[in-house]
Amino acid sequence: EVDLRESGGGLVKPGGSLRLSCEASGFMFNSYSMNWVRQAPGKGLEWVAVIGSSGSRIYYADTVKGRFTISRDNAKNVLYLQMNSLRAEDAGVYFCARERKVTPAADSWGQGTLVTVSS
Amino acid sequence: EIVLTQSPSTLALSPGERATLSCRASQTVNSNYVAWYQQKPGQAPSLLIYGAFNRATGIPDRFIGTGSGTDFTLTISRVEPEDFAVYFCQLYGSSPLYIFGLGTKLETK
Repeated sequence: EVDLRESGGGLVKPGGSLRLSCEASGFMFNSYSMNWVRQAPGKGLEWVAVIGSSGSRIYYADTVKGRFTISRDNAKNVLYLQMNSLRAEDAGVYFCARERKVTPAADSWGQGTLVTVSS
Repeated sequence: EIVLTQSPSTLALSPGERATLSCRASQTVNSNYVAWYQQKPGQAPSLLIYGAFNRATGIPDRFIGTGSGTDFTLTISRVEPEDFAVYFCQLYGSSPLYIFGLGTKLETK
């Protein structure tokens, strides 16, 4: 059974940094592209970043480009999101999500980790 | 940038009724890249439909995805009590890579 578990969320001051992790199990992690998607409190879903199975395909939303870095460790089955220069509008629940290999969509999601940005 | 407009924003129905949720793209899109998700309070989204009409694993056949071009629809043939949730449509392959609609909340009448 596919399992994705995020961690690393918490309270951080504006301008601060945080690193999120997503531990994967139950599938061949190194065969799938992985995404981060976030959701501000009471709001909709916003895609943040994607990384290909080998780490060579990386794209970011314009809202986080230059501040966030997605990476992965296929040996440890872990996905990361390094978040720097955090802003109030970056607050929300961050989900990691597996991308289907064909006809892309996010077919498995973690439970999410909450990021709060406040002074 | 393509915009996905979902309507209605809220849909109030009784169990057993038919639900019709709309997702309209601001320009013609590839239907292979249209998906629908369900999200219940306090939970992560879950994939219902991919490629506009393909049900994800374990999704009951009362969930039906249709559409092409700019207009896509998620129909729940007979709403069950567990179906009351928020539904998002999503497009892959544009800029940003994934675009989500703002959602339709299906609530009990």
